[in-house]
Amino acid sequence: DAKTTQPNSMESNEEEPVHLPCNHSTISGTDYIHWYRQLPSQGPEYVIHGLTSNVNNRMASLAIAEDRKSSTLILHRATLRDAAVYYCILGYSGAGSYQLTFGKGTKLSVIP
Amino acid sequence: NAGVTQTPKFQVLKTGQSMTLQCAQDMNHNSMYWYRQDPGMGLRLIYYSASEGTTDKGEVPNGYNVSRLNKREFSLRLESAAPSQTSVYFCASSEAEWGYEQYFGPGTRLTVT
Repeated sequence: DAKTTQPNSMESNEEEPVHLPCNHSTISGTDYIHWYRQLPSQGPEYVIHGLTSNVNNRMASLAIAEDRKSSTLILHRATLRDAAVYYCILGYSGAGSYQLTFGKGTKLSVIP
Repeated sequence: NAGVTQTPKFQVLKTGQSMTLQCAQDMNHNSMYWYRQDPGMGLRLIYYSASEGTTDKGEVPNGYNVSRLNKREFSLRLESAAPSQTSVYFCASSEAEWGYEQYFGPGTRLTVT
């Protein structure tokens, strides 16, 4: 299964944009790129996903490189509530199922 | 609309004891999942159920069994608990068999002594 590489931690000032990078150089043509986040002592929360084109929703934007070997999650204005661990995940099909494999993610700290 | 609920929230077991973790969702989702998260680590898939009546192994199924009781409920059983199973357990559900958007419960924190 394809793997992702993320920085262990990042910091951002409150109300500034945040760009969270993810490398996935071994991505296959059918792998979707997913982002989840996990606030302290909570279960993960879906953020966004995409295949080839950039995607926007109410929480964030996902920018996908043309060669799909990297992507960036963009939080347009960081708030204190955005402090969490952010996971970049490649969903893959295997043995008739679709699975998400979580790595260690990026811990985002937001500075007031 | 409670989403995904899990019981219990906390549990302490002695080695060799058994227990069942309960999970229910009220979103009429087809697929359900059980994950475990060890300290400082990401989540690992234990078992999943793509649809009612089916279950399949994930990445770390050894020592666990599951039952998809109906469309709403998916339970995880530890037959003989071991200290290595000390972890936080999360249940999740998704509308589609291809679980692009999974909704997670609050977790069960299990300690095996």
